[in-house]
Amino acid sequence: DAKTTQPTSMDCAEGRAANLPCNHSTISGNEYVYWYRQIHSQGPQYIIHGLKNNETNEMASLIITEDRKSSTLILPHATLRDTAVYYCIVRGVTGGGNKLTFGTGTQLKVEL
Amino acid sequence: DAGVTQSPTHLIKTRGQHVTLRCSPISGHKSVSWYQQVLGQGPQFIFQYYEKEERGRGNFPDRFSARQFPNYSSELNVNALLLGDSALYLCASSSYTGGLAKNIQYFGAGTRLSVL
Repeated sequence: DAKTTQPTSMDCAEGRAANLPCNHSTISGNEYVYWYRQIHSQGPQYIIHGLKNNETNEMASLIITEDRKSSTLILPHATLRDTAVYYCIVRGVTGGGNKLTFGTGTQLKVEL
Repeated sequence: DAGVTQSPTHLIKTRGQHVTLRCSPISGHKSVSWYQQVLGQGPQFIFQYYEKEERGRGNFPDRFSARQFPNYSSELNVNALLLGDSALYLCASSSYTGGLAKNIQYFGAGTRLSVL
């Protein structure tokens, strides 16, 4: 699975959009980009995933560049409850089972 | 519908002891995966089971083992506990339809294991 690079931390004002970047320059054609988040001491929560088209659901939007080497998770109106560690994960069809490879993620802090 | 449930929520053991952690997947999900998360790091993959067979294994010693039951629930066993085994142990379930990369894993709240 491709390796991802994320900023260690980011701050966002409540009510503003939070834009979380992720670099995955070694991504291959059949690998998906997944985003999870983990609120302190809880299990990771699935947010969204995509292959090459932009995706949107009730939680967030995922923008993937045309060359697929980077992506951005957008939380359109961040609230204090969005404070969490956000993980960008690239996963393809491998022989290693249903494995998700987590990095250290981005600590997003939403403030008043 | 109930999500992934794990038990116990917290556990304290001493070095050398054995521990069993339990996981019940979301109804209809046949795959269970186990992850270890030590403080300050992201979760690390330990095992995946699907239809009671091991389908993937991470880089963990043989002291770690798991199994899946006919009702798709799962147990993670750790023998000869070390201080370094102190961590949050997470279980994730999915429908796992073969090797499709769009398969989504849903996580439980985890079991916090402290080894003294």
